[in-house]
Amino acid sequence: EVQLVQSGAEVKKPGESLRISCKGSGYSFTNYWISWVRQMPGKGLEWMGRIDPSDSYTSYNPSFQGHVTISTDKSISTAYLQWSSLKASDTAVYYCAKHYPTMIFGVFIQGVLDYWGQGTLVTVSS
Amino acid sequence: EIVLTQSPGTLALSPGERATLSCRASQSVSGRYLVWYQQKPGQTPRLLIYGASSRATGIPDRFSGSGSGTDFTLTISRLEPEDFAVYYCQQYGSSPWTFGQGTKVEIK
Repeated sequence: EVQLVQSGAEVKKPGESLRISCKGSGYSFTNYWISWVRQMPGKGLEWMGRIDPSDSYTSYNPSFQGHVTISTDKSISTAYLQWSSLKASDTAVYYCAKHYPTMIFGVFIQGVLDYWGQGTLVTVSS
Repeated sequence: EIVLTQSPGTLALSPGERATLSCRASQSVSGRYLVWYQQKPGQTPRLLIYGASSRATGIPDRFSGSGSGTDFTLTISRLEPEDFAVYYCQQYGSSPWTFGQGTKVEIK
């Protein structure tokens, strides 16, 4: 059974750093990209960026570029999302999600998210 | 980036009725690379439809997707009690991948 298990809720102060995690199991971790998605309180979903665990190549939404860093440790099948300096506006639930590549005319197309972690609530408040 | 606008914002229907949800893109979505997700309160999003019209594994056939270019539709042929939720569309035709703001399907 495919599972993505995320780390627990965090309460931080503005300016603090944070790293949250997402551990994959039940599938070959290095064969599928992982994306991170933000959901602010009462709001919709926002794609933040993705990583290819096989080579750690990342791609970010320009809206999040420079403010977060996505990484993986494939030896423990875990992806990370980290901030060096949190803001109050970072308060949200953060989901990791596994990609489901679809083959179109012999080419794998990425962007479909088939399994999601349970979400990590990050609260940033002074 | 491609902006996705979903309508209506809220759809109030009764069980057994047909639901039609719209997702309009600010520019053409290449390859019909459009996904629909369902999210219930306090739960994670669930993949329903990808490639505009392909049902994900285990998704009942009362869910169907259609459309191309800038206009896409999710149809639920007969609403079951468990279908009352928020539905999001997402495009993956160009980066950054973007989501619509969601349509809430609520019980009338």
